[in-house]
Amino acid sequence: AQKITQTQPGMFVQEKEAVTLDCTYDTSDPSYGLFWYKQPSSGEMIFLIYQGSYDQQNATEGRYSLNFQKARKSANLVISASQLGDSAMYFCAMREGGKLIFGQGTTLQVKP
Amino acid sequence: GAGVSQSPSNKVTEKGKDVELRCDPISGHTALYWYRQSLGQGLEFLIYFQGNSAPDKSGLPSDRFSAERTGGSVSTLTIQRTQQEDSAVYLCASSRLPSGYTFGSGTRLTVV
Repeated sequence: AQKITQTQPGMFVQEKEAVTLDCTYDTSDPSYGLFWYKQPSSGEMIFLIYQGSYDQQNATEGRYSLNFQKARKSANLVISASQLGDSAMYFCAMREGGKLIFGQGTTLQVKP
Repeated sequence: GAGVSQSPSNKVTEKGKDVELRCDPISGHTALYWYRQSLGQGLEFLIYFQGNSAPDKSGLPSDRFSAERTGGSVSTLTIQRTQQEDSAVYLCASSRLPSGYTFGSGTRLTVV
């Protein structure tokens, strides 16, 4: 069974608009962490945001926020005011124990 | 250096040859991970080292793959008798748990 599921292979968004990238996860461990990474065409993995399973508030980092719905086991990434430089592959990942497991990714294209 | 260093950045090898990929983690990071990423795909977990504990090898795809970590620092991923399906980018990451993970730039392996 997939531990991390990203159901959107590709997404388009108009520049300056907000976009939500979906992520659902599956774990029976009460302690876990959720991460989002950006991978531009250069291939580097850029850390965006982190949410711990015990965190009471949704994580935010600048234009990035994580919509954490624990009961639904979802951890969607919201990017506000999209920029052309946001065009990239986005990966959701879960830390269970020490291991970090990734979803298949969503390709985001920002249109001018 | 300040980041995770991987070498070589590119490797072309003939089918059937052995290859060694190197990862130099951030100093003080106790956890080290290897992932494989095929073109346009997500990151496939291979192996995870945490301190002096036995490594989690659950992601290694076959017994042709092995990895070691010497002195809790540098790690080498070895692929024996390479096959064309081994062609991918091999990414290394290190972490000082429970904080974030820092990735290297990867080694692009091409088996011809």
